[in-house]
Amino acid sequence: EAGVAQSPRYKIIEKRQSVAFWCNPISGHATLYWYQQILGQGPKLLIQFQNNGVVDDSQLPKDRFSAERLKGVDSTLKIQPAKLEDSAVYLCASSLVTHRGRIGELFFGEGSRLTVL
Amino acid sequence: QKEVEQNSGPLSVPEGAIASLNCTYSDRGSQSFFWYRQYSGKSPELIMSIYSNGDKEDGRFTAQLNKASQYVSLLIRDSQPSDSATYLCAVRDNYGQNFVFGPGTRLSVLP
Repeated sequence: EAGVAQSPRYKIIEKRQSVAFWCNPISGHATLYWYQQILGQGPKLLIQFQNNGVVDDSQLPKDRFSAERLKGVDSTLKIQPAKLEDSAVYLCASSLVTHRGRIGELFFGEGSRLTVL
Repeated sequence: QKEVEQNSGPLSVPEGAIASLNCTYSDRGSQSFFWYRQYSGKSPELIMSIYSNGDKEDGRFTAQLNKASQYVSLLIRDSQPSDSATYLCAVRDNYGQNFVFGPGTRLSVLP
């Protein structure tokens, strides 16, 4: 079974530029998450999708971050304009929804490491 | 604000010893608890999940949960240098259905 795919693995940009990250979850996983992990910290949730709907985006800095999952499969996270403090690893994760409507375990992609100069 | 706390470490143990990692959480409504291992430069991988009070064993790993004390721990028996990594505690509640992660504890197993 293929895992969560993310690209690009690495990206270096200057502040005020824009960047986009792509994620393809495990086949059949209805729930998709984007996490931001700053060096030395735990992952912090940015946005959670279930199918193509947003479940939680309360911690997404909406003035510069946007995310979409138009067809309920793959997803794109965009940052525009980037700031120095956006330097982090952006982790995509997916999980199944059980027959009882509960979220299963999280499976992570390899992450996209962003450096903002 | 739901919080998950862990000692950041580093926790150093000699090879063959028991490593004990601890986690506390603030949300009493939390129902599901997970331990993830993250090697440097890699993504987190699930090693244990626990849902009921008590102990759950899987090989060299034992997860312990005490909901009354809002405390979950991970014991690693016969620690190996390959266990050296950051261990993330994650908590999920039944309502929000999202996962809150602690800052992680860095474990170093010395040969």
